[in-house]
Amino acid sequence: DQQVKQNSPSLSVQEGRISILNCDYTNSMFDYFLWYKKYPAEGPTFLISISSIKDKNEDGRFTVFLNKSAKHLSLHIVPSQPGDSAVYFCAASGENAGNMLTFGGGTRLMVKP
Amino acid sequence: DVKVTQSSRYLVKRTGEKVFLECVQDMDHENMFWYRQDPGLGLRLIYFSYDVKMKEKGDIPEGYSVSREKKERFSLILESASTNQTSMYLCASSLDPSGPNTGELFFGEGSRLTVL
Repeated sequence: DQQVKQNSPSLSVQEGRISILNCDYTNSMFDYFLWYKKYPAEGPTFLISISSIKDKNEDGRFTVFLNKSAKHLSLHIVPSQPGDSAVYFCAASGENAGNMLTFGGGTRLMVKP
Repeated sequence: DVKVTQSSRYLVKRTGEKVFLECVQDMDHENMFWYRQDPGLGLRLIYFSYDVKMKEKGDIPEGYSVSREKKERFSLILESASTNQTSMYLCASSLDPSGPNTGELFFGEGSRLTVL
């Protein structure tokens, strides 16, 4: 049973528009959430994170929103650029969840010029 | 910059062969991890290590073992490769001695293993 789920395996967006990637989790012990980005033939790289004490964290074009009551987080990319085309993984961890990162299945984002 | 280097980018092995995947990091990180990435399943943790000669099972350790004789090196071993171990294998390291709770894992480029 996957504790972190990304229900959309792929997403296609026009350049300049907003990309919204969603992630749901089931373990209430998770208190720290991260997004990783992965290009083909490369390892994932850290993108942005959020602690459960916050509901929003912003870094340039990337914003992560956390809704603890719904156990849902989302990554917004505005404006989307072709170079953002990659697979995005949501991950979660918690001191009371063993401190290990649990990853979602990933969403492939395609930004069309 | 942190560098995590995986020795083999692509490997093709036969069923029953012993396979070694090597990983080296150059930032003196305490923690090292082996994941496998499969479509739709994301990254699943196979084994991790908090220190030299220490190892802990992750979510899917069956069919794998690991070795950490030196701090910078973490090896994944498939004693007898099977076709269901065909996958992308990713090594990672992190600094936080209490685990990756503060977030950042640094990943290698991956080793794509095909078992025939």
